[in-house]
Amino acid sequence: EPEVTQTPSHQVTQMGQEVILRCVPISNHLYFYWYRQILGQKVEFLVSFYNNEISEKSEIFDDQFSVERPDGSNFTLKIRSTKLEDSAMYFCASTQDPQGTEAFFGQGTRLTVV
Amino acid sequence: DAKTTQPTSMDCAEGRAANLPCNHSTISGNEYVYWYRQIHSQGPQYIIHGLKNNETNEMASLIITEDRKSSTLILPHATLRDTAVYYCIVRVRGSQGNLIFGKGTKLSVKP
Repeated sequence: EPEVTQTPSHQVTQMGQEVILRCVPISNHLYFYWYRQILGQKVEFLVSFYNNEISEKSEIFDDQFSVERPDGSNFTLKIRSTKLEDSAMYFCASTQDPQGTEAFFGQGTRLTVV
Repeated sequence: DAKTTQPTSMDCAEGRAANLPCNHSTISGNEYVYWYRQIHSQGPQYIIHGLKNNETNEMASLIITEDRKSSTLILPHATLRDTAVYYCIVRVRGSQGNLIFGKGTKLSVKP
């Protein structure tokens, strides 16, 4: 079964450092998403991406965040200057169509900011 | 704000049917009901979706009331691996695919 893969599974970084979280969506999918889940809280939408540009973003997705599809297979989330409150699980997802009938999620990257 | 209401937690005996309710009394005519689950902080997993007819797939059945104000996800023979948080989400099909997750129902399947 096709799957979304995310690397690394766990990232520890110092406050103020930049981090890049990587995702390989399912190969024939065209719509990509990042979500995050702070420990014990709800899964929250961050951003959606289609045709090499952001389609929609939440209030969480401020200027410290950026996304990129650098090479046609990878989809990355960059946090420019991490804060303690950025510590969370970050999930990448992809869908084949804009209706997002069935979103496939990766297993997540646990980001710990110290 | 969440458009759905689900019980915080439920227990189910292994091998029995798990019936997870969801209230969505303000659902509009073009909104679908989606169910996802999250097993122990893994990525959410799609289960099933429907508009007004009952739906069944290899994982579960979805029963939507005639007035569409509530629905029930049925896992016909729950196993220990079905222990997870189950999310009921309503959204317009055709909107960008971002999902709004609530707190869901924590289903514990017990031996």
